[in-house]
Amino acid sequence: ETGVTQSPTHLIKTRGQQVTLRCSSQSGHNTVSWYQQALGQGPQFIFQYYREEENGRGNFPPRFSGLQFPNYSSELNVNALELDDSALYLCASSNGQGWEETQYFGPGTRLLVL
Amino acid sequence: AQSVTQLDSQVPVFEEAPVELRCNYSSSVSVYLFWYVQYPNQGLQLLLKYLSGSTLVKGINGFEAEFNKSQTSFHLRKPSVHISDTAEYFCAVSEYGGATNKLIFGTGTLLAVQP
Repeated sequence: ETGVTQSPTHLIKTRGQQVTLRCSSQSGHNTVSWYQQALGQGPQFIFQYYREEENGRGNFPPRFSGLQFPNYSSELNVNALELDDSALYLCASSNGQGWEETQYFGPGTRLLVL
Repeated sequence: AQSVTQLDSQVPVFEEAPVELRCNYSSSVSVYLFWYVQYPNQGLQLLLKYLSGSTLVKGINGFEAEFNKSQTSFHLRKPSVHISDTAEYFCAVSEYGGATNKLIFGTGTLLAVQP
């Protein structure tokens, strides 16, 4: 069973640029959530995709957007990058949207915005 | 508003000593509770979770946690820690009846095990 994978592992961008982060969910999982973890903080929920539809969003501006594909892999896109977007971006997958479901996390993509 | 509080940002402890990492939550609805561990430069790994039933939950690597509804707490314990337990520990909740199963995390506790 393949776990959650993310690419790239590290990324450096400059302010104003756009970035795309990718996530492959664990085999059999149809729900993907994205989290932002700033340095020294706990992860913050960005949004969730279930069967290719966004079904929940945290307190993040519209320049954070995403996609989920038929194979349940997912992308996180961030436009007009700001310095405060520097963080570890975590993808988590689960088998459905049940509140009791365990979310399995990938290793993350560390984004640095200069 | 729902929130998770981890009062201790860092807990230093000697190897083979017991440890308790504290977690309190605030929510107007029922919650499910989770503890995750994050080793340096890695993602989060589930240690244990409480859904219902017995309030004492056992997890991996010898950790356990006890749910106390009246005190809205879910403290993590280990009777004897190892150097390899050095990591960041996060308490999280998901709210029953929420639109998603998003996790709300605390700010984390760094467990620093010293020889």
